[in-house]
Amino acid sequence: KAGVTQTPRYLIKTRGQQVTLSCSPISGHRSVSWYQQTPGQGLQFLFEYFSETQRNKGNFPGRFSGRQFSNSRSEMNVSTLELGDSALYLCASSRGEGRHHSPLHFGNGTRLTVT
Amino acid sequence: EDQVTQSPEALRLQEGESSSLNCSYTVSGLRGLFWYRQDPGKGPEFLFTLYSAGEEKEKERLKATLTKKESFLHITAPKPEDSATYLCACVMDSNYQLIWGAGTKLIIKP
Repeated sequence: KAGVTQTPRYLIKTRGQQVTLSCSPISGHRSVSWYQQTPGQGLQFLFEYFSETQRNKGNFPGRFSGRQFSNSRSEMNVSTLELGDSALYLCASSRGEGRHHSPLHFGNGTRLTVT
Repeated sequence: EDQVTQSPEALRLQEGESSSLNCSYTVSGLRGLFWYRQDPGKGPEFLFTLYSAGEEKEKERLKATLTKKESFLHITAPKPEDSATYLCACVMDSNYQLIWGAGTKLIIKP
């Protein structure tokens, strides 16, 4: 069974630009969550999508947005990039039925560097 | 305030030297506690879920336990390949969100 796939693996952008990251969940998983991971802040929750609807949102500015498609694939977008957005962005999928937390299966992330 | 605290931040052990990692939580109603392992440059990998005090789960050299205030990840006779960062996360009753600890970096020296 294929795992969670994130593309691209590495990305270098300039301040003020925007970026789109992609995530393909495990087949059959309907929930996709996004996290930002930095050495100082650890894992910070961005948002969760379930069946194309945003189910939960973390405490990030509106420059961070996401969406989920009918095939459960998800994208997140960051507009007007700032230096502080440099981080590892992780996507995780789960079965997500109901409101109960099943274990998350993470991809290996996209390493974003903003210069 | 709901919080998950892991200790120590880093732990260096000799191969074969058993020890425990701690995850203490103050959340308003715990629905579940998860343990993950993260290797450098990779995403976290799921290890265990614990739901109620007294519950224990085992996998190879790892055993996770849960009390009403904390969870322990016991590692018995560790090997260098057990070196990783171990993360715990709690699911709150109120809004089903995951709260993550900062992790414990475990280094096993041969």
